[in-house]
Amino acid sequence: QQPVQSPQAVILREGEDAVINCSSSKALYSVHWYRQKHGEAPVFLMILLKGGEQKGHDKISASFNEKKQQSSLYLTASQLSYSGTYFCGTEQDQAGTALIFGKGTTLSVSS
Amino acid sequence: NAGVTQTPKFQVLKTGQSMTLQCAQDMNHNSMYWYRQDPGMGLRLIYYSASEGTTDKGEVPNGYNVSRLNKREFSLRLESAAPSQTSVYFCASSVMQATNEKLFFGSGTQLSVL
Repeated sequence: QQPVQSPQAVILREGEDAVINCSSSKALYSVHWYRQKHGEAPVFLMILLKGGEQKGHDKISASFNEKKQQSSLYLTASQLSYSGTYFCGTEQDQAGTALIFGKGTTLSVSS
Repeated sequence: NAGVTQTPKFQVLKTGQSMTLQCAQDMNHNSMYWYRQDPGMGLRLIYYSASEGTTDKGEVPNGYNVSRLNKREFSLRLESAAPSQTSVYFCASSVMQATNEKLFFGSGTQLSVL
């Protein structure tokens, strides 16, 4: 069952922050985040596992609340290079199932 | 390092024609996947292969068949193409189908069915 991402689109100026949410109606085992630039393949950002951990990568971090079946991706002090479409991929509460992706959130950062 | 290689990059078909999309990875990965991407729909899983010799249906398998030819190669076949199959197709692989394994994507095949 496809996770729901919100918002669908975000427009930012350089230096502003954004939060992208991903939620599921089913229990989640893990949440993956990927970024896709226009005309390119999706590229892995990070994985969050059950346990409510929070991860960070440069100024991009994410959290996973397994009780709420939600994950959020935080982009702080956005840069032009952050522009693209962000997808969350979820694995339902069973190890070894293939990733199901949300519809994506398009982020546009301008100077 | 080639990673995940998809061929062809572009293809135009007429309704009813058949074709096979090829995917090969050189990372010795066990698991491989086919996704399709349509505007506003995100990436939808068509089929996947957790390991050589196994294949499973994903979210949108109708109209497609797959073959895990060997550990390296995973092909997607359209037996009778329909305009609804116009899409960008991505092949991906991972070390294994486990919760902490990231996906590596190929560059995609843009398919148009007229």
